Amino acid sequence: NAGVTQTPKFQVLKTGQSMTLQCAQDMNHEYMSWYRQDPGMGLRLIHYSVGAGITDQGEVPNGYNVSRSTTEDFPLRLLSAAPSQTSVYFCATTTGDGYGYTFGSGTRLTVV
Amino acid sequence: GQNIDQPTEMTATEGAIVQINCTYQTSGFNGLFWYQQHAGEAPTFLSYNVLDGLEEKGRFSSFLSRSKGYSYLLLKELQMKDSASYLCAVKDSNYQLIWGAGTKLIIKP
Repeated sequence: NAGVTQTPKFQVLKTGQSMTLQCAQDMNHEYMSWYRQDPGMGLRLIHYSVGAGITDQGEVPNGYNVSRSTTEDFPLRLLSAAPSQTSVYFCATTTGDGYGYTFGSGTRLTVV
Repeated sequence: GQNIDQPTEMTATEGAIVQINCTYQTSGFNGLFWYQQHAGEAPTFLSYNVLDGLEEKGRFSSFLSRSKGYSYLLLKELQMKDSASYLCAVKDSNYQLIWGAGTKLIIKP
């Protein structure tokens, strides 16, 4: 049982490049989300999805796109990378109230 | 605005007890979570409080007072492996989690 799998673990991008962060879960959770974590700040929600075909914006969506074609996968796309997007990105899923979120292992992204 | 406050850093001694406080001001309240995050790793779920009072899970306990917008995480019999950051998060009226910046706990022998 893999839980939540995130790839890649590390990535260096040049300003203006695009890339996709992958997130896959095998727990059949409807809710999936993407967060970024920066030093001295709480986790900030980028985008989330409450089920296949449904996505919505979080607190800091600019510069990022998502799609949810299946229950299992929730990729995050950086359209044109900027140094301000240097961060650690986490994918998280949950089955509902009272249950904690299960996080992927994270992607450490550096934009130069 | 919405705000979660936690101390930035705390130091405690192995075998002792430590209390990590969290105060919150959010638009609505639908539960409070505590997570543990070791350096370079993902957060892992510790506890969930939705009603006032104390929830105990082994060496860890979490307390909630909704009227005061206050929670604490109590860690007993501290072990070196408890050195980590502890994150407080509140689920708001839109059922989204608002996160504190975390408290880095340093355990000394």
